[in-house]
Amino acid sequence: AQKVTQAQTEISVVEKEDVTLDCVYETRDTTYYLFWYKQPPSGELVFLIRRNSFDEQNEISGRYSWNFQKSTSSFNFTITASQVVDSAVYFCASLFGNEKLTFGTGTRLTIIP
Amino acid sequence: DTGVSQDPRHKITKRGQNVTFRCDPISEHNRLYWYRQTLGQGPEFLTYFQNEAQLEKSRLLSDRFSAERPKGSFSTLEIQRTEQGDSAMYLCASSLENDGVGRGQFFGPGTRLTVL
Repeated sequence: AQKVTQAQTEISVVEKEDVTLDCVYETRDTTYYLFWYKQPPSGELVFLIRRNSFDEQNEISGRYSWNFQKSTSSFNFTITASQVVDSAVYFCASLFGNEKLTFGTGTRLTIIP
Repeated sequence: DTGVSQDPRHKITKRGQNVTFRCDPISEHNRLYWYRQTLGQGPEFLTYFQNEAQLEKSRLLSDRFSAERPKGSFSTLEIQRTEQGDSAMYLCASSLENDGVGRGQFFGPGTRLTVL
């Protein structure tokens, strides 16, 4: 089966702490794409990052960083020095050789001021 | 430059009524997708178009649901004889076909449907 699992349903951290959101995927495909989206209270899904299966380089964008490890089928997302504006639901998703995104169930992140 | 837009943003209807939603994708994007998101869940794929052709439909899309993209630009999603179980956020996304390279789908704000 091809699926995406986000085991953390809810996480709360105090502002300025670092936090890592976990994502594990399952597939037999050799070519696939992995994504992270942010869904703030307004409801709109905001694209954060896209990775293809041939590129295992980690990526950093400001306070955000992503760790892609094929050996463990994981694509984890870390926010450094968290801020209240980071509070949202975060979704990991994938494209497994077709056109439809498969989403995890999301992790609700709350940053406590 | 505008993103994906959806209309209406909210719709309340009575069970048994028909509803229609509209999605306007990013102008140069040739692919358009519909997803449904229920409370506490991630979005689930419903269907997608490449230009005006509907290329895939999910089993979630019962015969009460129909989607069109007549001129390869905007799309409509119609639900006939709505049921309370249809209450959800309906999300539209668009992307540009780009062979061999990772693709990103960009989402609109969604239409929240409440069936009473």
